[in-house]
Amino acid sequence: GENVEQHPSTLSVQEGDSAVIKCTYSDSASNYFPWYKQELGKGPQLIIDIRSNVGEKKDQRIAVTLNKTAKHFSLHITETQPEDSAVYFCAEGGGTSYGKLTFGQGTILTVHP
Amino acid sequence: DGGITQSPKYLFRKEGQNVTLSCEQNLNHDAMYWYRQDPGQGLRLIYYSQIVNDFQKGDIAEGYSVSREKKESFPLTVTSAQKNPTAFYLCASSMPAGPSTDTQYFGPGTRLTVL
Repeated sequence: GENVEQHPSTLSVQEGDSAVIKCTYSDSASNYFPWYKQELGKGPQLIIDIRSNVGEKKDQRIAVTLNKTAKHFSLHITETQPEDSAVYFCAEGGGTSYGKLTFGQGTILTVHP
Repeated sequence: DGGITQSPKYLFRKEGQNVTLSCEQNLNHDAMYWYRQDPGQGLRLIYYSQIVNDFQKGDIAEGYSVSREKKESFPLTVTSAQKNPTAFYLCASSMPAGPSTDTQYFGPGTRLTVL
């Protein structure tokens, strides 16, 4: 079945530094790749997503890049702030799993002031 | 105020009892999903429903049941057959656009603890 590997599992950075989280997937037919941010005790919130017809998408300090040939995609957060501290999940969908998303294991990001 | 609501936020249950978690959405979304989240792990799909009166098992459906009698509601029952039910349960909805997966929006979650 579909599988998503997410790395690293924990990431600690200083305020102002950049953070990068990477995910690899197995279903070559996948065409939708969202990223979610989850704060403690809350539901995940979509922060950015990308579809397979583009290679990069930016939204202020957040960007996502997609390499379909290598089957991996990454989340880039620049100028990190303490409020960016949370758990981040990648996911993949479309392809053979119509209507469903498969999630990575999550990355705990800590931004130190 | 549109969105997805889950109730209650915290739920305690004795072993051997069934319990039903509520999920309601007013986004007019066709599809709804239930996930389970355990500490330090990702989201695992329990059940999903693409349309009213229809639903499919996800990856970990054993010990759970659902119904989809109304578009806006997708309740999840955790039965006594679920061996390890203590977890954080998340409901989501989406408006699937043809054969491609569309964005899923999540509710605030229900934390179930079995005593």
